[in-house]
Order: sequence, then C-alpha cells, then structure tokens
Amino acid sequence: DAGVIQSPRHEVTEMGQEVTLRCKPISGHDYLFWYRQTMMRGLELLIYFNNNVPIDDSGMPEDRFSAKMPNASFSTLKIQPSEPRDSAVYFCASSLQTSGADTQYFGPGTRLTVL
Amino acid sequence: QQQVKQSPQSLIVQKGGISIINCAYENTAFDYFPWYQQFPGKGPALLIAIRPDVSEKKEGRFTISFNKSAKQFSLHIMDSQPGDSATYFCAAPTGGGNKLTFGTGTQLKVEL
Repeated sequence: DAGVIQSPRHEVTEMGQEVTLRCKPISGHDYLFWYRQTMMRGLELLIYFNNNVPIDDSGMPEDRFSAKMPNASFSTLKIQPSEPRDSAVYFCASSLQTSGADTQYFGPGTRLTVL
Repeated sequence: QQQVKQSPQSLIVQKGGISIINCAYENTAFDYFPWYQQFPGKGPALLIAIRPDVSEKKEGRFTISFNKSAKQFSLHIMDSQPGDSATYFCAAPTGGGNKLTFGTGTQLKVEL
C-alpha cells in the first residue's frame, strides 16, 4: 500500500482565499483523522471520521473550517476564507480500530502558508 | 479533555548514551499508550506502543516503561544514535477511546 496520500504538499495562498486540502486514507482503514501542527500549539486533532461519518469535530477552530468524507477513499479539509493564522502543517491520518485507539498512520502533510 | 504533559521539551544526548522522555496523563479508561517519531518534513510515525497489561515493552533499543498508579509512562532509547535525532511525541487515548491526545513533543538531538 502507498500509505496515506495528501495533496498538495505545499500551498501558498493569500488571505481570504479558499483552500482545499485532500487526503486518501489507507485502503480498509475505517477511521480518518485531520490534525494541525504548529510550533505554538503542537499537534492538534481537528476532526475525525468513522466509516465516512464525522464523529468529533470539537477541534475545528472556527466555522471557516469544514471537512467532508464523501467515500471511504477520500476526504477534504476546506478553509474559507483563509487567514494568516491558519498557516500550519495539516496532517491526515488513518487507522483500523477494532476496540479503542490503535496505530494511526500519518500522511506526509500539507504545509499551508497564508499571506 | 485529556491533558498529556511531556518533558523535556528538548534533549541533547551523546552518541551511545541513554535518552529518556517522560509523559503524564490525566485519566483514561483505555489502555493504549504510543510513542511517535517525527523527522523534519515528515509525518509522525508510530515508534512503539504499550497496552499496559505489562509494565514494560522493549523493541530493540527502544523501551516503554509504564506506571499506571502514577499515570506516567516513559520512552528510553538505549545506545542513542545520530539517526535517532527527531521529535518524539507521546499520546494517550481520549474521547471514548477512539482518538489520541498528543504531548507537546520532545526534540532529541544525538551528538557524535
């Protein structure tokens, strides 16, 4: 398996623009997680899905952030409108969990810079 | 909300030395405590994890020690190598047990 795939790897945009980050989880994994990593706040969980259904979005910072998982092999994280404070590395991770937390496999991340 | 406190924030160790990183968690009804390793420009990757029906787990040069009564667990890296230089994160289950709360990370540098 190719592992978790994220695109784009780098994104530079201007304040106010819409940004869409994409993730393809490992085939067969039923959990998908979106994280944000910054120097100040570390690794924060934004939202996670189980079987394509959003389970916990309590980490989504504002209504400007939204996430979807239309099928088992694709998820998006959208920021509209983007702001400079959204600059961070965004990771997607997937997991196969039968009972409770288990290994999460992270993608390479998308480095977002909002000017 | 689960809090996970990790220390130290950074660590410099000589080649061949022992690196020790500590974590403390608040509460969890679920027994799964992993350590992740992250190299610059990469995503975190699982290094080693423990399900504490045992108090210690060893994989090669890496050992997790778990103290359930103290709600603490630690990562020991024996014979540290320059290739071990990375950021290490501990994590604990939270929110019903299906998600992880990560510690703030420890930046390890192993010098020659």
